[in-house]
Formats: sequence, structure tokens, C-alpha cells
Amino acid sequence: EVQLLESGGGLVQPGGSLRLSCAASGFTFNNYAMNWVRQAPGKGLEWVSGISGTGGSIYYADSAKGRFTISRDNSKKMLYLQMNSLGAEDTAVYYCAKDSVDTMVRGVTDYWGQGTLVIVSS
Amino acid sequence: DIKMTQSPSTLSASVGDRVSITCRASQSISSWLAWYQQKPGKAPKLLIYKASSLESGVPSRFSGSGSGTEFTLTISSLQPDDFATYYCQQYNSHSFIFGPGTKVDIK
Repeated sequence: EVQLLESGGGLVQPGGSLRLSCAASGFTFNNYAMNWVRQAPGKGLEWVSGISGTGGSIYYADSAKGRFTISRDNSKKMLYLQMNSLGAEDTAVYYCAKDSVDTMVRGVTDYWGQGTLVIVSS
Repeated sequence: DIKMTQSPSTLSASVGDRVSITCRASQSISSWLAWYQQKPGKAPKLLIYKASSLESGVPSRFSGSGSGTEFTLTISSLQPDDFATYYCQQYNSHSFIFGPGTKVDIK
């Protein structure tokens, strides 16, 4: 059974940093691209970033470029999102999501974690 | 960047109704469109990919159609479990933009 478990969310002050983690199990992790998708309270879905199975191809939404860094450790089956210079607009539930097809980032996601809440507030 | 729109934003329907949701892209995305269902407090669930391919395990009452810039998600006979918010998502380019969502609620 595919499982994705996010952690690392919490309350952070504006301008601060946070590192999200996602522990994967139940599938061959390095065979699939992975993504982060977020959802602000009461709002729609926003794709944030994606990383290929090898980690060699990385993509970011414009809102994340220059501030967020996605990475993965295939030996540990872990996905990460380092978030810097956080602002109130980054307040959201952050989901880890598995790409559905293969190692390339296609953005179509068939399994999602339960999400971790990030609140940016003073 | 590609912009995605959905209509209607809210749809009130009854069990057994046939319902359709439209998604439009600001430029052609070929058939690179997915549909997701999300219930309150839950993660989204993939329903349809490549505009019309049904994800494994998804009931056959869900179907998708369209190509280019206009797409439709149809539920042939609405069931109690289908009351949720539905999102389209383009994956023609690496911006993977979602539509704003359509909430299907009970009439």
C-alpha cells in the first residue's frame, strides 16, 4: 500500500524558514517523480514544485522560485521542501504527492499524503 | 502562463442527476488534462488523466472528454459519495496549473 507521510509543518514568523519532509513507502520510490502541492485555507490547489526520480530535473511554480528548494533522498525514501523567506501568502496545507507515471515530472499525481499545515504569522 | 478556468463554480444537484463541469485552458494543452475530486479535510483524488482516461478504481459513472482548450467532466448518475469539489489540472507545461474548482453540493 502506497503511503506518504508529511511532517515539519507548524507556526513560523514572516521571513522565517521551514523544512518539510515526506516519508514514502509501498512503492519503488526512485522510479517516480514527486511533487509538493499546497492549499491555502478555503482556497484551491496550487502545484509548488516537482522533482524527477533521480533528482536531476526540478521544477518550481513562480511563487516558489528563489525561495523554496525541493530535494529527495532515494536511499531513505524521503522527499523534502526547504522553504525560506516565508510570507503570509505561504500559509497553507502542504501535500506531498507521487507522480503517476514514471521518473519524469508530469504533474499528474495518483497518491497524496494527508498534508502538513504551515502557518506564517507573527 | 496557461490560465485555467472552470464553470460553474458551484453546482447544486440531486442524487441520480447527470452533471457536467467545464474546464477551459487559455491556450491549447492537447489532451494533457487531469481531473481530481476533493472532499473537505481530505487530500485530492485523481479521477481522470489525459482528458479521458479513467484512473484505476474510479467508478465508470465518471468520464472526461475534450481536447485543445475545452474539456468536460461528466458524472452520469450522481451518487451521495460524489458531493465534493472537483479540480481540473493542465500538465502540458511544467507549471501544472489547477483550475479554481467546482463545488458540487446537494440541491
